[in-house]
Amino acid sequence: AQSVTQPDIHITVSEGASLELRCNYSYGATPYLFWYVQSPGQGFQLLLKYFSGDTLVQGIKGFEAEFKRSQSSFNLRKPSVHWSDAAEYFCAVAPGYSSASKIIFGSGTRLSIRP
Amino acid sequence: SAVISQKPSRDICQRGTSLTIQCQVDSQVTMMFWYRQQPGQSLTLIATANQGSEATYESGFVIDKFPISRPNLTFSTLTVSNMSPEDSSIYLCSAGLAPDEQYFGPGTRLTVT
Repeated sequence: AQSVTQPDIHITVSEGASLELRCNYSYGATPYLFWYVQSPGQGFQLLLKYFSGDTLVQGIKGFEAEFKRSQSSFNLRKPSVHWSDAAEYFCAVAPGYSSASKIIFGSGTRLSIRP
Repeated sequence: SAVISQKPSRDICQRGTSLTIQCQVDSQVTMMFWYRQQPGQSLTLIATANQGSEATYESGFVIDKFPISRPNLTFSTLTVSNMSPEDSSIYLCSAGLAPDEQYFGPGTRLTVT
């Protein structure tokens, strides 16, 4: 069965520092991977996605993620965080490349920004 | 992109009552999905709603508790029936508008007292 693990429940980084949020998945075939952000007052938003091709994908708001098949990982990174990045981040996996595909979410990582 | 709206945005309900949540999409979509996010938890898929057919429920969710309607390609409702405090959650709908993207509504925050 598919599963997504986000080992870090809560991370605090200083504003301007780099960020890496970890995500590991379990899936038999090549998965379709996503990172979503949930911010108060802004709902749920797709940051980036990976389906195939270049394993380093760029997303919105300066985020990027790297797919590493050998490690079953899809970690999210940002070189310099801003106070507005404080939010909950969810890694997710879907089995199919279709609008009908179910998305399975990880447990989330809450990001706090230290001034 | 697309705009997905939900009504109500929040509600406080008494145990034993039912609440119907509406989800409206500004484009026609084949599939809509309903999720639950319990306090401090991730999203859990409740069911998939396809227009013109019965919703497909995930393990642990049943139609008697969470009846879903999908009368057309832009609208769906989820009813939370016979509510208990354990049903206090955020309920989100999503819609697949492209092969590789799903958009989420803003959510309905439900508190059951």
